[in-house]
Amino acid sequence: NAGVTQTPKFQVLKTGQSMTLQCAQDMNHEYMSWYRQDPGMGLRLIHYSVGAGITDQGEVPNGYNVSRSTTEDFPLRLLSAAPSQTSVYFCASSLALGLAAYEQYFGPGTRLTVT
Amino acid sequence: RKEVEQDPGPFNVPEGATVAFNCTYSNSASQSFFWYRQDCRKEPKLLMSVYSSGNEDGRFTAQLNRASQYISLLIRDSKLSDSATYLCVVNIKPGGGADGLTFGKGTHLIIQP
Repeated sequence: NAGVTQTPKFQVLKTGQSMTLQCAQDMNHEYMSWYRQDPGMGLRLIHYSVGAGITDQGEVPNGYNVSRSTTEDFPLRLLSAAPSQTSVYFCASSLALGLAAYEQYFGPGTRLTVT
Repeated sequence: RKEVEQDPGPFNVPEGATVAFNCTYSNSASQSFFWYRQDCRKEPKLLMSVYSSGNEDGRFTAQLNRASQYISLLIRDSKLSDSATYLCVVNIKPGGGADGLTFGKGTHLIIQP
């Protein structure tokens, strides 16, 4: 199993550009999530999904869109990039059963810089 | 008061020593507790869950103190490979789901030879 994969690993955008961060998992996990991690801050939840076709907002959803058309894929779209979105983005997945739901399997991350 | 607080460190500890650090949480309704480990420029990985009765996994021991609202992580006989950032994670929502998880900012541990 590849686990959780993310592409690209690095990205530089200009202010106002849009792009999609890709995330895929091959563990048949129901739950998938997107986080951002900034220096001096804990991981913050952007959006999450409890299954195909179902998404919901996390703590910091503004400026981001998600969709979940399949169990495996959960792309994150930046609508109009801003310097405040410079961050490391982690995608995560987990099972939906009891305590296992809390074990988040993270992808390797995407380092995004917006100039 | 922040929801989950950790001493950011760094904790500089000689190899072979015992080190412990705590994490305090503010929500008394918190359901579940976890320690994650994050290596430099890598993704976080679950280290261990923290049960009410305490939890031991090899050199690692995690404890929960609900009365004082903190969890702790003790590392015995520390190894160079233990150098990492340790994230405290608290869940406030029964039934699971990422939306119930709050991550601390992490404690940076450096094991010195």
